[in-house]
Amino acid sequence: EIVLTQSPATLSLSPGERATLSCRASQSVSSYLAWYQQKPGQAPRLLIYDASSRATGIPARFSGSGSGTDFTLTISSLEPEDFAVYYCQQRSNWLYTFGQGTKLEIK
Amino acid sequence: EVQLVESGGGLVQPGGSLRLSCAASGFTFSSYSMNWVRQAPGKGLEWVSYITGSSSTIYSADSVKGRFTISRDNARNSLYLQMNSLRDEDTAVYYCARSNNYRFDYWGQGSLVTVSS
Repeated sequence: EIVLTQSPATLSLSPGERATLSCRASQSVSSYLAWYQQKPGQAPRLLIYDASSRATGIPARFSGSGSGTDFTLTISSLEPEDFAVYYCQQRSNWLYTFGQGTKLEIK
Repeated sequence: EVQLVESGGGLVQPGGSLRLSCAASGFTFSSYSMNWVRQAPGKGLEWVSYITGSSSTIYSADSVKGRFTISRDNARNSLYLQMNSLRDEDTAVYYCARSNNYRFDYWGQGSLVTVSS
């Protein structure tokens, strides 16, 4: 099973600042990594897939990078609606795993 | 517009059974693989089970194998999760989610299952 480890667990920033979230895989997942955003009481929403492709309707301030085992989600300038929990996710050998999440909170 | 609407959640005693449903609309349901993903209160996301469009292939997490069964009815545009021998640790919000390659591109709003005596 491939384990995804996200860091930091909590990130405290102010609107307008740049956010950098990390996801590290225990084995290479090539570029087959997705990122999701989840707000309280809501379902997760797909943000990024194939490590760096934005999903439909996702603002350009969200970007993803990385390959192999190290991945980054960057939010270039935080908007108030971006404060949420973010998860990375992969599939290997028909087993899907998620990272434990990074909570992005208002400082 | 793609819509996924779960139903069937509720309170059940340990050892009991429950069947969740997910009604799909806005896309050709039979052309897509589907999944169930759950989230325990205050915890992260856990994938539960996967089924192809034709129901020919099914995969499930070890934590639910032998107890949960995923199925679908393409004529009714519906996905199901039959949950038997429920345990306290199965308490969670259960989401149905559409597969797009390895990712989940659309999610329902979730259905809460509470296992408690």
